[in-house]
Amino acid sequence: GENVEQHPSTLSVQEGDSAVIKCTYSDSASNYFPWYKQELGKRPQLIIDIRSNVGEKKDQRIAVTLNKTAKHFSLHITETQPEDSAVYFCAARSNAGGTSYGKLTFGQGTILTVHP
Amino acid sequence: DTEVTQTPKHLVMGMTNKKSLKCEQHMGHRAMYWYKQKAKKPPELMFVYSYEKLSINESVPSRFSPECPNSSLLNLHLHALQPEDSALYLCASSRIRTTSGSLREQYFGPGTRLTVT
Repeated sequence: GENVEQHPSTLSVQEGDSAVIKCTYSDSASNYFPWYKQELGKRPQLIIDIRSNVGEKKDQRIAVTLNKTAKHFSLHITETQPEDSAVYFCAARSNAGGTSYGKLTFGQGTILTVHP
Repeated sequence: DTEVTQTPKHLVMGMTNKKSLKCEQHMGHRAMYWYKQKAKKPPELMFVYSYEKLSINESVPSRFSPECPNSSLLNLHLHALQPEDSALYLCASSRIRTTSGSLREQYFGPGTRLTVT
């Protein structure tokens, strides 16, 4: 099955700095890569996602890049703010059992702390 | 309505109790999911329903029994749980493939914080 590795496990930055979180996946058939932000006691919220036929996607201060050949993808947050502090999970979707909606496999998470 | 709702928010139950978790969405999604999440860990998939039929069971113990009575509702029946089953239980939903290949992002509910004593 799919295996997703995420690094680093913790990341501490100063407000205004950039933050980068990296993930690698094992199943070359995976075709969809979402990133979720989870604040303490809250639900995971989708912040950005990318499909396998796209190399990069940007949404304001957040961007995701995908390298299909190397099977890795990264989240980039620029001009970080204290409210960006949360746990971030990457995920990869493979079409498990031939299903079209697929199965998400999550990375282990990155605890991001942005210091004012 | 772009929200998945879950009840109850918190649940404390003994090991001999029977309880149920409920999940509801009105986005017309025909795939619904149950995840278990331990503190500081990623969500772990338990079950997937597609068109109200169970399509994935990730080898979950039989003390967890899912049910999908209609396209908007998803239940998780709990019986004879163990203290190690204490966790946040998340429900999610998504669309199923369309001919346009549109993204099928999963929307999560707020979860039920379960404590087994």
